[in-house]
Amino acid sequence: AQSVAQPEDQVNVAEGNPLTVKCTYSVSGNPYLFWYVQYPNRGLQFLLKYITGDNLVKGSYGFEAEFNKSQTSFHLKKPSALVSDSALYFCAVSSVTDKLIFGTGTRLQVFP
Amino acid sequence: DTAVSQTPKYLVTQMGNDKSIKCEQNLGHDTMYWYKQDSKKFLKIMFSYNNKELIINETVPNRFSPKSPDKAHLNLHINSLELGDSAVYFCASSQDRQRGGQETQYFGPGTRLLVL
Repeated sequence: AQSVAQPEDQVNVAEGNPLTVKCTYSVSGNPYLFWYVQYPNRGLQFLLKYITGDNLVKGSYGFEAEFNKSQTSFHLKKPSALVSDSALYFCAVSSVTDKLIFGTGTRLQVFP
Repeated sequence: DTAVSQTPKYLVTQMGNDKSIKCEQNLGHDTMYWYKQDSKKFLKIMFSYNNKELIINETVPNRFSPKSPDKAHLNLHINSLELGDSAVYFCASSQDRQRGGQETQYFGPGTRLLVL
């Protein structure tokens, strides 16, 4: 069975500092990994995904994520956080089928 | 142009009522989904349709019935609404189900359902 864990309910970071939002996964077969962001009272916006190839994936708004097969992780990173990055971030995994399994979400708070 | 749209945005209703939520996508995608996000923000898939055919049907009460009149529309009808149905319901779509889980799913803005 597929599963995703986001171990941190909330991540706090000062504006201008690097940020990391953690995600680990469990799936049989090749994983397809996604990050989505949800702003208050809005839908989910796609940020980036890993399908195959280069382990470092670059996405929207300066975000990137690194796929680490040995650690079964797909952490989301950004070199310099903005206050406007404050939102709820979801990691998700799928595999052979298109059934997308989401993590519980991590609230990112960027302080000025 | 809104890629995936849902109506209504907010829905407040009494227990026992029947209500529908509509979803439309103008992306030309073949597959559409319904997700439920509960009060703790946990997201779970409910249904998926591929070209009007039901593909995924998670363990959802049969009071929930999806209907796809064409591949651009996927509606959700809920009978005999209960307090526990209060949630945000998101519609999503993706391009090609033949590529399995590789396709990106694009989400609508959500419908906030409150059952009193």
